Amino acid sequence: GEDVEQSLFLSVREGDSSVINCTYTDSSSTYLYWYKQEPGAGLQLLTYIFSNMDMKQDQRLTVLLNKKDKHLSLRIADTQTGDSAIYFCAESETSYDKVIFGPGTSLSVIP
Amino acid sequence: DTGVSQDPRHKITKRGQNVTFRCDPISEHNRLYWYRQTLGQGPEFLTYFQNEAQLEKSRLLSDRFSAERPKGSFSTLEIQRTEQGDSAMYLCASSATSGGFNEQFFGPGTRLTVL
Repeated sequence: GEDVEQSLFLSVREGDSSVINCTYTDSSSTYLYWYKQEPGAGLQLLTYIFSNMDMKQDQRLTVLLNKKDKHLSLRIADTQTGDSAIYFCAESETSYDKVIFGPGTSLSVIP
Repeated sequence: DTGVSQDPRHKITKRGQNVTFRCDPISEHNRLYWYRQTLGQGPEFLTYFQNEAQLEKSRLLSDRFSAERPKGSFSTLEIQRTEQGDSAMYLCASSATSGGFNEQFFGPGTRLTVL
């Protein structure tokens, strides 16, 4: 079946890099996503990677995909207090198919 | 505001009552999705529509739940005989289905509390 797992909590100091890891089980996943959810706010798509890529960089964000191990990571460089939020790893077979979410990683940034 | 909107934002009801939520997608989007998110969990897929056709329903969607999208625009999600376990945030999303990447845009959610 489809399952996405990620560690539940991460705490980093302001200015350090954060790395959030995720594993998924569905080998037919074509798109892998990172969503951000802040308290009282909706889900925001941060970035996504297509399954035939192994890396994607977008400003402070770097996504690494190891398709063989079904492992996805999100690196946030120079983490700021405004990055404190819950980050969800997710996957889908097409970009307009249902999205399967992980449980979320709560990132706390210590000033 | 041309984003996904949901109404109401909050709903408190007593166990056994029926509730109905509404979602208005982004106007040119033909796909509409419903998800449920409980505290401390990620969103879980419930169902989705392509225009007015309901294409997939999750096993989570018991027969007390029904969703419609009668004219292929807005959608409603009804829960009959609510139970305390139905307390959650109900999220709606919409997307296009054109070539390339189609982002699912999420609404702010309807928070349901069943007493």
